[in-house]
Amino acid sequence: EPEVTQTPSHQVTQMGQEVILRCVPISNHLYFYWYRQILGQKVEFLVSFYNNEISEKSEIFDDQFSVERPDGSNFTLKIRSTKLEDSAMYFCASSLAALLYFGPGTRLTVT
Amino acid sequence: AQTVTQSQPEMSVQEAETVTLSCTYDTSESDYYLFWYKQPPSRQMILVIRQEAYKQQNATENRFSVNFQKAAKSFSLKISDSQLGDAAMYFCAYRSFQTSGSRLTFGEGTQLTVNP
Repeated sequence: EPEVTQTPSHQVTQMGQEVILRCVPISNHLYFYWYRQILGQKVEFLVSFYNNEISEKSEIFDDQFSVERPDGSNFTLKIRSTKLEDSAMYFCASSLAALLYFGPGTRLTVT
Repeated sequence: AQTVTQSQPEMSVQEAETVTLSCTYDTSESDYYLFWYKQPPSRQMILVIRQEAYKQQNATENRFSVNFQKAAKSFSLKISDSQLGDAAMYFCAYRSFQTSGSRLTFGEGTQLTVNP
């Protein structure tokens, strides 16, 4: 069964550094998403992406964040100048219709 | 904006018993999807069950079933014959039917403990 993959599984970075989280969505899916889950809290929507542009973003998704689909298969989330409060689990998801398929997540630790 | 509320931060159940997790939501839409996701310690998000609002029949997946009350905006999950592997965080989620690619909105989650 096709699945969403994410790399790396765990990323440790220093405050102020830039990180890029990578995702490979399911190949025939059209919609792509990033979600964030701070430890012990609920899963929060960051952004959705369709037809090579952002279709929706939350108030969390400020200028510090950007997304890109550079090559037709990868879907990336860039976080510029990371802050301690960016430490969280970041989930990528993709969908074709009703169901969202989630990747296993990238645990980001900002020190 | 839609909101999802899970009023039970923690629940526990004895192995082989039945437990019900509660979820309520707020929306002005008439067509939407509702989901329950399970998140074990690995933190992978696993779909448990889904319900389309236009369907009156409650969804069932093996030991998992829902009680969908559209007028009351309630969507509870019943787990029958609970197993140790059911221990996890459970999230209720809402998704609009009207907009393709719409976001999933999650509740706060319920941590389920299964006692042997």
